[in-house]
Amino acid sequence: DSGVTQTPKHLITATGQRVTLRCSPRSGDLSVYWYQQSLDQGLQFLIQYYNGEERAKGNILERFSAQQFPDLHSELNLSSLELGDSALYFCASSASGRLHNEQFFGPGTRLTVL
Amino acid sequence: QKEVEQDPGPLSVPEGAIVSLNCTYSNSAFQYFMWYRQYSRKGPELLMYTYSSGNKEDGRFTAQVDKSSKYISLFIRDSQPSDSATYLCAMTRNKLIFGAGTRLAVHP
Repeated sequence: DSGVTQTPKHLITATGQRVTLRCSPRSGDLSVYWYQQSLDQGLQFLIQYYNGEERAKGNILERFSAQQFPDLHSELNLSSLELGDSALYFCASSASGRLHNEQFFGPGTRLTVL
Repeated sequence: QKEVEQDPGPLSVPEGAIVSLNCTYSNSAFQYFMWYRQYSRKGPELLMYTYSSGNKEDGRFTAQVDKSSKYISLFIRDSQPSDSATYLCAMTRNKLIFGAGTRLAVHP
């Protein structure tokens, strides 16, 4: 158990809908990262927040947005969902804000868009 | 062409073998090079990272970076069935890019 929690574990929704994925980092970690993992695209870094501020941005679509709250939990919002958004979404956290340092991954949220 | 290329395998080896996993990349700006291990249905975990060129050893694992060839490797000595997993290379400067991952199976 990494200490990172993600909810929900599974999510099934329809095209065009909007969903929110939630992540609670390990106690004391200031950085939160979001990733998308699918069979065709592999693991893709979406975005990083550090102590409430956006720190780094990867291949995040404009339909997706994220934020980190004062209590350091983070939410990833996915809107206008398409079939291709079906994937496993991981959240990770770390103490530092450096991308190469050790990140602790949560169990993931499996999103299925029908 | 992808920025990071990694052969997806699968790679099947007998227990005790030396395993070599590799990635090539095209962006010479990358500075940090990482190797992650991902077991089935789990999130990735960082094995090790190196900065710039050179070797780094940690137990049975050795990471090598050759920036002149834009080529990185991970060697696993005395491989064990518990090493069976997907290994992802990753690299970063201001963004973080992962390879496709190589599935490794170590059979007794």
